[in-house]
Amino acid sequence: GENVEQHPSTLSVQEGDSAVIKCTYSDSASNYFPWYKQELGKRPQLIIDIRSNVGEKKDQRIAVTLNKTAKHFSLHITETQPEDSAVYFCAAMLFNDYKLSFGAGTTVTVRA
Amino acid sequence: NAGVTQTPKFRILKIGQSMTLQCTQDMNHNYMYWYRQDPGMGLKLIYYSVGAGITDKGEVPNGYNVSRSTTEDFPLRLELAAPSQTSVYFCASSYLSSYNEQFFGPGTRLTVL
Repeated sequence: GENVEQHPSTLSVQEGDSAVIKCTYSDSASNYFPWYKQELGKRPQLIIDIRSNVGEKKDQRIAVTLNKTAKHFSLHITETQPEDSAVYFCAAMLFNDYKLSFGAGTTVTVRA
Repeated sequence: NAGVTQTPKFRILKIGQSMTLQCTQDMNHNYMYWYRQDPGMGLKLIYYSVGAGITDKGEVPNGYNVSRSTTEDFPLRLELAAPSQTSVYFCASSYLSSYNEQFFGPGTRLTVL
């Protein structure tokens, strides 16, 4: 199956700075890459996703980039705010599969 | 729509006991999933279903069983609970396409003592 590695495991940033989380995947047949945000004690929720035919996607302060050759994708959060503090999970799905493989998560703390 | 609901929210089991975690979705989603979340380990897939009557194993199925008799319900059965099954369990569902968002339930926190 697919193996997804996520770095860093923890990230502390000053409010207003940018945060970057990187994930690598093992199977070049993966073609769907979502990112989920999980606030403390809550359920994971999708914040952005990207398909393999696209190199970059933005939604307000968050963006995801995909490098298929290197088999990695990254989440970028600009102008971080206290409400961005959460655990972020990347995931990958193989072509024609129904299952997501998740990274281990990154705990982001935004310092006021 | 209530979305994905799970019961119970919390449960403490003794070693060797059995229980069923309930999951229901009202979005008419075909795909349903069970994950467990251990601290610092991300989400691991236990079982999944692509429709009523169809289930398959995920990454960590040992010690668990599932059934899917209706589109709405996807219960997870733990037989002979062990301390290694102490975890937070999330049920999720998604629509017919592989590229669609998975909607998660609120989770069940299970402790096995």
